[in-house]
Amino acid sequence: QQQVKQSPQSLIVQKGGIPIINCAYENTAFDYFPWYQQFPGKGPALLIAIRPDVSEKKEGRFTISFNKSAKQFSLHIMDSQPGDSATYFCAAGSNTGKLIFGQGTTLQVKP
Amino acid sequence: EADIYQTPRYLVIGTGKKITLECSQTMGHDKMYWYQQDPGMELHLIHYSYGVNSTEKGDLSSESTVSRIRTEHFPLTLESARPSHTSQYLCASRLAGGNEQFFGPGTRLTVL
Repeated sequence: QQQVKQSPQSLIVQKGGIPIINCAYENTAFDYFPWYQQFPGKGPALLIAIRPDVSEKKEGRFTISFNKSAKQFSLHIMDSQPGDSATYFCAAGSNTGKLIFGQGTTLQVKP
Repeated sequence: EADIYQTPRYLVIGTGKKITLECSQTMGHDKMYWYQQDPGMELHLIHYSYGVNSTEKGDLSSESTVSRIRTEHFPLTLESARPSHTSQYLCASRLAGGNEQFFGPGTRLTVL
């Protein structure tokens, strides 16, 4: 009930490609779904977040798609750049304020 | 500049030593968290605090303890470190009523 499942584990794309990372959750009490970006040696930083009352949110080159009935959400990175190479974590949170994190996806964007 | 700080960044110690990992934030956030993250793996919540004198255990069992005597300070202590404690420890904070958790840079702990 508390798990958040993330896939793929790793992803390699060419510069300009559109990597897509998927997450699925089980607990319908979750009402906050952030994506975090983590570079080596750094703590995670919030990239973009969505609530279940909308199906899509865009911030710059980053888009979250949310499917409430399927309990799935995904991150799309448009026009990916080598600087986007990092580990991406999805998470799910509820009114407790605690976050449950996915397993992470290591993205490599080749020049 | 408001931020969240963790010291030390790297620590290598022998088995049986007592250690304290420091976490401080200058954002006035009430809520603070400690996560454990093994290399390439997800973050697991081990402790959290909703304010001064409030501490709770997280979803992952941990032999560490925490204290919250001041709003800005949330140290984590291991009384007797073991090799199984080798991991990265991340501290985070959140404003009451907000959702975003702000993370520190982490402490990478190695116990020999």
